[in-house]
Amino acid sequence: GAVVSQHPSRVICKSGTSVKIECRSLDFQATTMFWYRQFPKQSLMLMATSNEGSKATYEQGVEKDKFLINHASLTLSTLTVTSAHPEDSSFYICSAGDFQSSADTQYFGPGTRLTVL
Amino acid sequence: GESVGLHLPTLSVQEGDNSIINCAYSNSASDYFIWYKQESGKGPQFIIDIRSNMDKRQGQRVTVLLNKTVKHLSLQIAATQPGDSAVYFCAESTGGYSTLTFGKGTMLLVSP
Repeated sequence: GAVVSQHPSRVICKSGTSVKIECRSLDFQATTMFWYRQFPKQSLMLMATSNEGSKATYEQGVEKDKFLINHASLTLSTLTVTSAHPEDSSFYICSAGDFQSSADTQYFGPGTRLTVL
Repeated sequence: GESVGLHLPTLSVQEGDNSIINCAYSNSASDYFIWYKQESGKGPQFIIDIRSNMDKRQGQRVTVLLNKTVKHLSLQIAATQPGDSAVYFCAESTGGYSTLTFGKGTMLLVSP
């Protein structure tokens, strides 16, 4: 149980375009999902907390107009990187909490590798 | 606060050895701690967790120790196998749906 998927796993786009990444909880309902980014050989940095049916909460320094988050259902959250630039190239990972078992444990998706040319 | 490093500490062990990975956390209010394993190009995988009312918890081949006095967390892996090679992160939170703060990670290399 507690499986989280992400789509796509890899995406390459041109500078200036927008990219949407989906995060799904496959076998549980997640009222809260989290979005992280990770640069090579570094730790995970929390970008925002996504709550179903409400606005996301962004961490300091993360531009909410650039990283649009939508959490329209209990099993789906999306992250849209708008007007992507090469410095946005990174590994984006989502996580979700399984409130039916342990509200504290977060389960992570497999990540999405974004490369902006 | 967060610890984000540009260079991952590395622990190299032989297959069959026991491995100990350490983590220092900074928030004395944290009451929930998790160890994750991350293989190259993949998302973090939950290994084991512990709450602040415990100082030890055991799983299959893994043990987590918590020392709240010095804010230290460790992960012990028994009979380490090549498949255990990965980056290991500790994470802390104040419980519930509060956010996780990740440590900088340790790369474990297991040679046959």
